[in-house]
Amino acid sequence: NAGVTQTPKFQVLKTGQSMTLQCAQDMNHEYMSWYRQDPGMGLRLIHYSVGAGITDQGEVPNGYNVSRSTTEDFPLRLLSAAPSQTSVYFCASSYSSSELQPQHFGDGTRLSIL
Amino acid sequence: KQEVTQIPAALSVPEGENLVLNCSFTDSAIYNLQWFRQDPGKGLTSLLLIQSSQREQTSGRLNASLDKSSGRSTLYIAASQPGDSATYLCAVGPMNYGGSQGNLIFGKGTKLSVKP
Repeated sequence: NAGVTQTPKFQVLKTGQSMTLQCAQDMNHEYMSWYRQDPGMGLRLIHYSVGAGITDQGEVPNGYNVSRSTTEDFPLRLLSAAPSQTSVYFCASSYSSSELQPQHFGDGTRLSIL
Repeated sequence: KQEVTQIPAALSVPEGENLVLNCSFTDSAIYNLQWFRQDPGKGLTSLLLIQSSQREQTSGRLNASLDKSSGRSTLYIAASQPGDSATYLCAVGPMNYGGSQGNLIFGKGTKLSVKP
């Protein structure tokens, strides 16, 4: 079982560059989300989606865009990378957004902005 | 705003000890509380999840309790093993956080080291 797959695993960008972090799940999960994890801050919710075509902002959405054209994929776009976006990014999914379900996390993308 | 605090930040115990990790949250209006495990360089693995109407959940050597009125949860690990070494994260699903039970607010974690 592939579960939640994130690519790339590592990335180094220059300030001002744009890029897309990919997230795919093969479990037909309705709910998907993106978190960033910073030292001393814990994980913080960036954006989430409760189904294909539906996205919403989390706690720290500025500088990021998302879309959900299919159930399987939930890419996170950095529009113009800034050093403050250096972080580890995790994608998560669960079967339902309205019922308590175990959340499945990817292994993360470690992103450095120079 | 909901805040989640985990104490201690780090814990080192000898193999075989029973131990308790603590989690507290400031707002009792939650859908659920979840405990995760994170190994170095890896994602999070869901250990236990508790609905707001429940008091505890058990899985193997793990037992999690929830006291919503006092804003506290504990994760009890029985007979600890070196393989239990990891960071343990507590997360709550607040009712006023986008309306989805999947939206979580995390504590900063407790880093557990179990010595052989």
